[in-house]
Amino acid sequence: SQTIHQWPATLVQPVGSPLSLECTVEGTSNPNLYWYRQAAGRGLQLLFYSVGIGQISSEVPQNLSASRPQDRQFILSSKKLLLSDSGFYLCAWSFPGGAGGQPQHFGDGTRLSIL
Amino acid sequence: QKEVEQDPGPLSVPEGAIVSLNCTYSNSAFQYFMWYRQYSRKGPELLMYTYSSGNKEDGRFTAQVDKSSKYISLFIRDSQPSDSATYLCAMFNAGNNRKLIWGLGTSLAVNP
Repeated sequence: SQTIHQWPATLVQPVGSPLSLECTVEGTSNPNLYWYRQAAGRGLQLLFYSVGIGQISSEVPQNLSASRPQDRQFILSSKKLLLSDSGFYLCAWSFPGGAGGQPQHFGDGTRLSIL
Repeated sequence: QKEVEQDPGPLSVPEGAIVSLNCTYSNSAFQYFMWYRQYSRKGPELLMYTYSSGNKEDGRFTAQVDKSSKYISLFIRDSQPSDSATYLCAMFNAGNNRKLIWGLGTSLAVNP
């Protein structure tokens, strides 16, 4: 079976500091990977998705970037955090697409607070 | 108009009640429909996944899709306090299957 790990669970960072959140998937190869941010009252916002190593698509312009250095590793980064980057960050995976749709499966998230 | 509308609640029911959760959508191209359950401070967990119109049952949960009305429902029978969570609907079409379109979620409390 497949599992997804995301860490840390909670993070408090000062404004202007860098950020690195990591997500890894086990039990499958070449998954699609996703980073979301969830804000109260605003639902789930897709930030980035990746269909393979080094292939990153950005959904919204922002202060964040993503990388996929290995098949089952997805990293969310920032060089200088803003107050507006606070939120609940979720990593998800799905089987590779194709003719049929595939549901996404989520990690337990990182709650990021910027002070 | 948002692509997916979902009443945020909160919805409060007594233990054992039948719960009905709903989403409406505007894009007739949507073909795949999902319901997720999210406990506080946790990631969403996939509950039901359906394709096109019809019903799907899994234990106490039934998902229903009415494409003609652009309306989907999740029914929970014999609700339990452990069902207390936020329920999110999500959907996409085959042409853009990487991008799920999400409802904002309905908060449910099942009272013992």
